[in-house]
Amino acid sequence: NAGVTQTPKFRVLKTGQSMTLLCAQDMNHEYMYWYRQDPGMGLRLIHYSVGEGTTAKGEVPDGYNVSRLKKQNFLLGLESAAPSQTSVYFCASSRTSRETQYFGPGTRLLVL
Amino acid sequence: GENVEQHPSTLSVQEGDSAVIKCTYSDSASNYFPWYKQELGKGPQLIIDIRSNVGEKKDQRIAVTLNKTAKHFSLHITETQPEDSAVYFCAASVTGGGNKLTFGTGTQLKVEL
Repeated sequence: NAGVTQTPKFRVLKTGQSMTLLCAQDMNHEYMYWYRQDPGMGLRLIHYSVGEGTTAKGEVPDGYNVSRLKKQNFLLGLESAAPSQTSVYFCASSRTSRETQYFGPGTRLLVL
Repeated sequence: GENVEQHPSTLSVQEGDSAVIKCTYSDSASNYFPWYKQELGKGPQLIIDIRSNVGEKKDQRIAVTLNKTAKHFSLHITETQPEDSAVYFCAASVTGGGNKLTFGTGTQLKVEL
């Protein structure tokens, strides 16, 4: 039981490039989340999903898109990366809306 | 939307002493308050949580208290150990719907020998 895994662990992009971050969970959780963590600002919610095929905007959604085609996977896309998107990205999942969110190990992204 | 403030930003204690971290929230509808511990290079890990129908919760050396009237909650760690050194985050959410967590800005706890 791996829990929540994230791919890749680290990536360097040039401004304007695109990429997709993958989050996978093997706990059969309904809810999945993408957060970004910046120094001194805690974690901020980008997008979330309340079930397969659904997505919704969080606090800081601009510049990101998401998809939840399979229950176990939640993809975060950057269509045209900007230096302001340099951050550490964390995925989380929970079984229901009333239960604990479990976090993955993070993806460190550097946009030059 | 919800706003969570966390203090202090850094906290240094001697091994064996107690540590207290405080958070305030703005949305009276918030009813779920987890605390996460984050070690360097890792994702946040839940250490304890409390719901709005409870005033206090304990788990061995860790306790959390909630004052709904004042909209603040606190994390208490007793008999601190070097392995308690990490960044601690408080968060608040309204369960149901998306259960979207709003996090505080974190407290760097250092336990010195």
